[in-house]
Amino acid sequence: SQTIHQWPATLVQPVGSPLSLECTVEGTSNPNLYWYRQAAGRGLQLLFYSVGIGQISSEVPQNLSASRPQDRQFILSSKKLLLSDSGFYLCAWGTGTGGYEQYFGPGTRLTVT
Amino acid sequence: EDKVVQSPLSLVVHEGDTVTLNCSYEVTNFRSLLWYKQEKKAPTFLFMLTSSGIEKKSGRLSSILDKKELFSILNITATQTGDSAVYLCAPWRDSGAGSYQLTFGKGTKLSVIP
Repeated sequence: SQTIHQWPATLVQPVGSPLSLECTVEGTSNPNLYWYRQAAGRGLQLLFYSVGIGQISSEVPQNLSASRPQDRQFILSSKKLLLSDSGFYLCAWGTGTGGYEQYFGPGTRLTVT
Repeated sequence: EDKVVQSPLSLVVHEGDTVTLNCSYEVTNFRSLLWYKQEKKAPTFLFMLTSSGIEKKSGRLSSILDKKELFSILNITATQTGDSAVYLCAPWRDSGAGSYQLTFGKGTKLSVIP
């Protein structure tokens, strides 16, 4: 069966510090991978998605970047965090040709102080 | 611009009540619609609806899609306190070049009182 991992679970970082969140998927090959952010009082917002190694699409211009160095690894990064980067970050995976089920990891709660 | 509207935004019911949650959508190149339940952490998958008029059921939960009127409903019968959560609906859209994206509504917060 497939599982998706994210770490860390919680993170408190000062403004201006770098960020690296990692997501890995087990039990599937060539998944589509997604990073979402859920800010307080707002819906889930798609940040990045990837359909393969090295292929990243960005949905929203921002202070963040994503990379996919391996088939089942997806990394969310920032060089300098802003207060507005605080939120709940969720990684998700899915397969298929569209309109398919998508499954979420446990999430990382980031607080920028 | 794609739009997903869920109603009501919040709902408080007593155990044993039946509830209906609504989701209307306007997305380009609609493919299917997903429902999720979100408690304190990550959303958990409930249903995927692709065809109009075909009800999907899982225990006390059921859902149906109307692609002509662009909405979906999620029903929960005989509610229990464990049903308390935010329920999210998310239509898929085909954004072209082989990419597909979910657009999430803000959710309906359901609170079930014993």
